[in-house]
Amino acid sequence: EDQVTQSPEALRLQEGESSSLNCSYTVSGLRGLFWYRQDPGKGPEFLFTLYSAGEEKEKERLKATLTKKESFLHITAPKPEDSATYLCAPQGGSQGNLIFGKGTKLSVKP
Amino acid sequence: GAGVSQSPSNKVTEKGKDVELRCDPISGHTALYWYRQSLGQGLEFLIYFQGNSAPDKSGLPSDRFSAERTGGSVSTLTIQRTQQEDSAVYLCASSLAGRNSYNEQFFGPGTRLTVL
Repeated sequence: EDQVTQSPEALRLQEGESSSLNCSYTVSGLRGLFWYRQDPGKGPEFLFTLYSAGEEKEKERLKATLTKKESFLHITAPKPEDSATYLCAPQGGSQGNLIFGKGTKLSVKP
Repeated sequence: GAGVSQSPSNKVTEKGKDVELRCDPISGHTALYWYRQSLGQGLEFLIYFQGNSAPDKSGLPSDRFSAERTGGSVSTLTIQRTQQEDSAVYLCASSLAGRNSYNEQFFGPGTRLTVL
């Protein structure tokens, strides 16, 4: 069965305190892995797509990496505006759907 | 350009009533998806439309749920005889091409449904 687990469920950081979010997955026929950011009361906002193990992508203070079983979202020197829920979604399975994790809720305090 | 829009933003209904939720995808996007997001849960796939192909309804939780997409654009998700467990945020997304292509989905703001 296809599964996605994100950890931790919640993460509190001080401004400037770097950390990483984890996404572990077991998905058949992986086509790619997507990261989204979701603010309260809004729909998810696309951040990155990773297609193969070893690939990395960066955007401002965020860097996403991919292995065969995990993806990490590294946050360097976060700011309060980085506070949001970060969703991981491998694409695969029998239908090629996005399979979403429950997310990591990040809070960055000034 | 305009993103994905959904209406209404909030819907409160009584148990047993029918509701219709609307989604306007990004112009030119051929694929459209509906998801459900319940409190503390990940996004749950409901249904997928791609061009003129038959929709993938494999995620619909019961036969009370149905959806249509008219003219390859606007989509309506209908829930008949609503139950309290239907309370959730219903999200619509669209993408330039379908699931066999590698392209991101763009999400609307969602409709928060509350069934009393």
